This record gives sequence, structure tokens and C-alpha cells, in this order.
Amino acid sequence: GAVVSQHPSRVICKSGTSVKIECRSLDFQATTMFWYRQFPKQSLMLMATSNEGSKATYEQGVEKDKFLINHASLTLSTLTVTSAHPEDSSFYICSADSALPGRTEAFFGQGTRLTVV
Amino acid sequence: AQKITQTQPGMFVQEKEAVTLDCTYDTSDPSYGLFWYKQPSSGEMIFLIYQGSYDQQNATEGRYSLNFQKARKSANLVISASQLGDSAMYFCAMREGLESSGDKLTFGTGTRLAVRP
Repeated sequence: GAVVSQHPSRVICKSGTSVKIECRSLDFQATTMFWYRQFPKQSLMLMATSNEGSKATYEQGVEKDKFLINHASLTLSTLTVTSAHPEDSSFYICSADSALPGRTEAFFGQGTRLTVV
Repeated sequence: AQKITQTQPGMFVQEKEAVTLDCTYDTSDPSYGLFWYKQPSSGEMIFLIYQGSYDQQNATEGRYSLNFQKARKSANLVISASQLGDSAMYFCAMREGLESSGDKLTFGTGTRLAVRP
């Protein structure tokens, strides 16, 4: 089946620094990837839609200057949390649609648990 | 308005018994897809089952089946012969439109299932 790899799985950073999270589709090309954020014991909230070769589409209330998304190739999207603060601590997870024949589900990365201290 | 509603924050089931997790949805799009994902404590999102709005029969995948009642806009997940490893969070999600790429998933708030030995 389609595989999406997300790295790192865990990261601890100091307040004010930036953190980059990578999301790779390993065995398929993904023109569209999605970035979600999940607070403890809550649901996944879509942050933005990452489009290969163009600007990301951000959901209402998501600061595009804080959460920089780059989708430079058909297999890689990155989310950079800039000037991170403790309130940015959360679980971030990406997904990609494989567009494989007969497959309809979104494939998710393993997620990244970010802790800002 | 909530597009996906999961009214059961937590459920218990005895090992080897069946359990139903409720999900109702709201959309005016005649074409949509409904998904169930399992999220263990590790955080990964595991695809379980999919139901398209035009599918005539209820979807089944091994021990998972989806009780799709279109008129009631419900898509309940039935897990038969529960196992201890089924203990996890379960999310119902919807994609409006049937194309597999480019359309975001909207998630419910989830149901935490605990399987008792």
C-alpha cells in the first residue's frame, strides 16, 4: 500500500526557534498533501492544503507566516513552525492522497509530537 | 455546524463481543465519501474502512463493517469479535466529492474504545 513517511516523530525545541517537519510520499506522487494539528484528546484540525508547485491554502485562523508550508516536489511537503512558542506544542500529522486506482483513502504520516519549552 | 458528529466520547466493550461506534454526518453534496480511522496511542492514523455515497452495499473489511444509512446520514462502524488491540481512538471522517485527491477530510471528535479482557 501507499506509504507516507513523516520526520521527525518527536522534537523538543526552545521557545523562539524554528522547527521543520517533513512529509514524504515514498512510493507514489502526491500533488496534494494536507497538514493537520491535533491537541491532546481532540480531533484532527486541518491547518492547510499543500499543493505541489504553488502556494499552500490555509484554513481560517491559521497564521501562514507562522506555519510555513513548502511543497517543492511531488513527494515532499514541509511544515516549518517559525518562532515557536509553548502554545505551538501539539501533534502535527500530514496526509496525502495516493490517487491509486481503486484506492480512495488518505494515507497519513506517523505524526510529529512537538514540544516547545 | 458540525459536519461529522460522534456522540460517544468513550466506549467499553468486552473482549470477543461486537461494538458499534456512532457517526452522523451533514452535507448537501450528493457525492461524498465516509471513512473510519483508528488512532492508537502512538498517534498514527490507520485507515479501516470506506463507504462512498453511491455505494449500494455496506462496506466490510474483515472484522470491520460500516452500517451506512443514507437517509439518516449515519455511518456507524461495527467491530465484531473485539480484541484487546482494538483499544484506541476511532475517528469518523468525510470527504465531500468523490475524487481521491485534492479534497480535504473533515473529522469527528472521536470515540475512545476500551476493550476489557
